[in-house]
Amino acid sequence: SQKIEQNSEALNIQEGKTATLTCNYTNYSPAYLQWYRQDPGRGPVFLLLIRENEKEKRKERLKVTFDTTLKQSLFHITASQPADSATYLCALEPGGFKTIFGAGTRLFVKA
Amino acid sequence: EADIYQTPRYLVIGTGKKITLECSQTMGHDKMYWYQQDPGMELHLIHYSYGVNSTEKGDLSSESTVSRIRTEHFPLTLESARPSHTSQYLCASNDGGGKLFFGSGTQLSVL
Repeated sequence: SQKIEQNSEALNIQEGKTATLTCNYTNYSPAYLQWYRQDPGRGPVFLLLIRENEKEKRKERLKVTFDTTLKQSLFHITASQPADSATYLCALEPGGFKTIFGAGTRLFVKA
Repeated sequence: EADIYQTPRYLVIGTGKKITLECSQTMGHDKMYWYQQDPGMELHLIHYSYGVNSTEKGDLSSESTVSRIRTEHFPLTLESARPSHTSQYLCASNDGGGKLFFGSGTQLSVL
């Protein structure tokens, strides 16, 4: 079955550093992959979508890479701030607009 | 800004009660979803819809049912709530390009 794996261990970094989160998937070849941010008790908020023919995508301090050979996406936050502390979810569509999510990685940015 | 609304935000009810969780979107999106999420855990797809009069069960078996009589409205119903139904329920819609917009969620507690 399709599976999305994200690092279950929380990531603790110092303000100003770059945070790098990993998403690995198996048994599927998605046309695109997405990243969302989720704060406690709230619904996820869309951040970035990267297509299979795109190696890298940027939005302000965010950068996503997509390696379809490794079946991996990396999500980077540069110049991190305490306000970036949240859970970051990786998501993909196995088909038919049925989006599935990884368990997410919690990020803590210390001032 | 996402125009998708869920009510109620919080609901505490007794076992055996029938409940309906409301979800509405004003973006005209055809595809809508219900996810269930326990604290610190991943989102599980329980229902989705491709459009009016279309409903499908998701990957996680659920005793709830949904209906889609109007594009903008996708309510979820539990005929007889049990403590095992205690969870957060998140509604989302798809803009057609893969991007999901989520509501704020309903936190359900069944006593």
